[in-house]
Amino acid sequence: KAGVTQTPRYLIKTRGQQVTLSCSPISGHRSVSWYQQTPGQGLQFLFEYFSETQRNKGNFPGRFSGRQFSNSRSEMNVSTLELGDSALYLCASSPFPGRETQYFGPGTRLLVL
Amino acid sequence: DAKTTQPTSMDCAEGRAANLPCNHSTISGNEYVYWYRQIHSQGPQYIIHGLKNNETNEMASLIITEDRKSSTLILPHATLRDTAVYYCIVRVTQGGSEKLVFGKGTKLTVNP
Repeated sequence: KAGVTQTPRYLIKTRGQQVTLSCSPISGHRSVSWYQQTPGQGLQFLFEYFSETQRNKGNFPGRFSGRQFSNSRSEMNVSTLELGDSALYLCASSPFPGRETQYFGPGTRLLVL
Repeated sequence: DAKTTQPTSMDCAEGRAANLPCNHSTISGNEYVYWYRQIHSQGPQYIIHGLKNNETNEMASLIITEDRKSSTLILPHATLRDTAVYYCIVRVTQGGSEKLVFGKGTKLTVNP
């Protein structure tokens, strides 16, 4: 079974631009969570989606948003990029939310100049 | 905030067992302990999880103390490829949903 895939793997943007990252979960998994990883803050939870609904959200500004499609694929969007948004963005999927093991994708490395 | 504390770094000789400790003194009775590892700049890799009983799989063993306030991840025969940051995580329930709250993890270096 294929793992979680994320596209693109690397991205360079400039301040003020917006970016959309994509995540395809493991086949059959319907829950998708997003995390941001930076050297200073470590791994931080962004949000979780299940059945096209956001179930949980971390402490991030409204510039960070996401959505999930009927095929469970998910996208996250960051508007008005700031230098501090440079990070590794990780997507994790599980069959259902709650006490299910989450499996992570390779991540998208975003650099904001 | 993370509900776990781990040593910042550890070293282990190749072929020996690596024992990674984790304290989770505020864990609730129904919260699971998860272990993930992250090799440089890759996505975290699931290793093992447990609630009360000790667990073993093809990658590692998880020993949880009887009071559940601490646990130890054991890699029985460490190899150079086991060099990674190891995260001990307790899932946190928030607003009816659960999420993984990562701490700083333990940087394990396996030496030849």
